[in-house]
Amino acid sequence: EDQVTQSPEALRLQEGESSSLNCSYTVSGLRGLFWYRQDPGKGPEFLFTLYSAGEEKEKERLKATLTKKESFLHITAPKPEDSATYLCAVQAAGGYNKLIFGAGTRLAVHP
Amino acid sequence: NAGVTQTPKFQVLKTGQSMTLQCAQDMNHNSMYWYRQDPGMGLRLIYYSASEGTTDKGEVPNGYNVSRLNKREFSLRLESAAPSQTSVYFCASSEGGDRGYTFGSGTRLTVV
Repeated sequence: EDQVTQSPEALRLQEGESSSLNCSYTVSGLRGLFWYRQDPGKGPEFLFTLYSAGEEKEKERLKATLTKKESFLHITAPKPEDSATYLCAVQAAGGYNKLIFGAGTRLAVHP
Repeated sequence: NAGVTQTPKFQVLKTGQSMTLQCAQDMNHNSMYWYRQDPGMGLRLIYYSASEGTTDKGEVPNGYNVSRLNKREFSLRLESAAPSQTSVYFCASSEGGDRGYTFGSGTRLTVV
């Protein structure tokens, strides 16, 4: 069964304190791995897509990496505006664009 | 561009009542999806429509029906609401490729 597990469930950081979020997945043939950001009361917003092990993508203070079993979202020198829930999702080969989501990591960055 | 528009934003139903959640996208996407989001469980797929005229069940379809009215609109109907259907419902659309889904802002539904 295709499955996505994110850890930790919640993370509290001080402004400027770098850290990483983990997304472990089990899927029968990975077509793509997606990261989204979700602010309270809003829908998820797209951040990155990764397709193969070793691939990395960056956007401002965020960098996403991918291995054959997991993905990391690295946050460098975070600011309070980075506070949000970060969702990871996988698309299985043959799954016709269907995404399977993890439960998310709630990140709080304090000044 | 408005992207994906969901109505209503909030709704309270009594057990046994019915309602339809509306979703429309203006990006000319072929695929549309309905998810529900519950605390600690992430987003779970209810139904999806790969293209106009087709619909398929997702992970948690029981108690729901859908209609792909045209390429733009995909509605979700609760025929007889139950407290277990209290959740936040998200509609999304996609054209495949690099950007995954575009989500609406959600409908927060409470069934009492």
